[in-house]
Amino acid sequence: AQSVTQPDIHITVSEGASLELRCNYSYGATPYLFWYVQSPGQGLQLLLKYFSGDTLVQGIKGFEAEFKRSQSSFNLRKPSVHWSDAAEYFCAVGAPGNGYNKLIFGAGTRLAVHP
Amino acid sequence: DTEVTQTPKHLVMGMTNKKSLKCEQHMGHRAMYWYKQKAKKPPELMFVYSYEKLSINESVPSRFSPECPNSSLLNLHLHALQPEDSALYLCASSPTGRETQYFGPGTRLLVL
Repeated sequence: AQSVTQPDIHITVSEGASLELRCNYSYGATPYLFWYVQSPGQGLQLLLKYFSGDTLVQGIKGFEAEFKRSQSSFNLRKPSVHWSDAAEYFCAVGAPGNGYNKLIFGAGTRLAVHP
Repeated sequence: DTEVTQTPKHLVMGMTNKKSLKCEQHMGHRAMYWYKQKAKKPPELMFVYSYEKLSINESVPSRFSPECPNSSLLNLHLHALQPEDSALYLCASSPTGRETQYFGPGTRLLVL
């Protein structure tokens, strides 16, 4: 069965520091991979996605992610974190079935940013 | 424009009430989704509509009744809910079933 693991439930970084959020997936084929961000009480905003091609993908707000097939990972990175990046981050796998992508979400990583 | 709108933003209802949540998109997307999200948890898929037909029902109790009147609109009718149904209800859409899903801001539901 498909699954997504985000090993870090909570991460705290200082403003201006670099950030890496980990995501590992279990899926039989090359999946569609997504990172979404959610501010408190808000909907999910797409940061970036990987379907195929270049394994380093650029997203919005200065985020990037790298797909590593050998490690079944899709880690999210940002070189310099801003206070406004504090939010919940969800990694998701799109599992094709019945003509649509069922999104399987990880448990999420809550990011806190210290000034 | 990748906007999905949801109304109302907040809803408080009693266990005997009937209410509806509304979701709208004008991006020409043909797949629309309802998710339920409990506090500190990831979203859980409830329903998928594809080309205005219900494609997937993830074993959701019948007190939740989805409706897709046209390709831009998705409703979720609520009746005889339980307090444990209190959650953030998120709507999403995608061009067809296999592309990126774009989420609305959600409706925060409280069942008393």
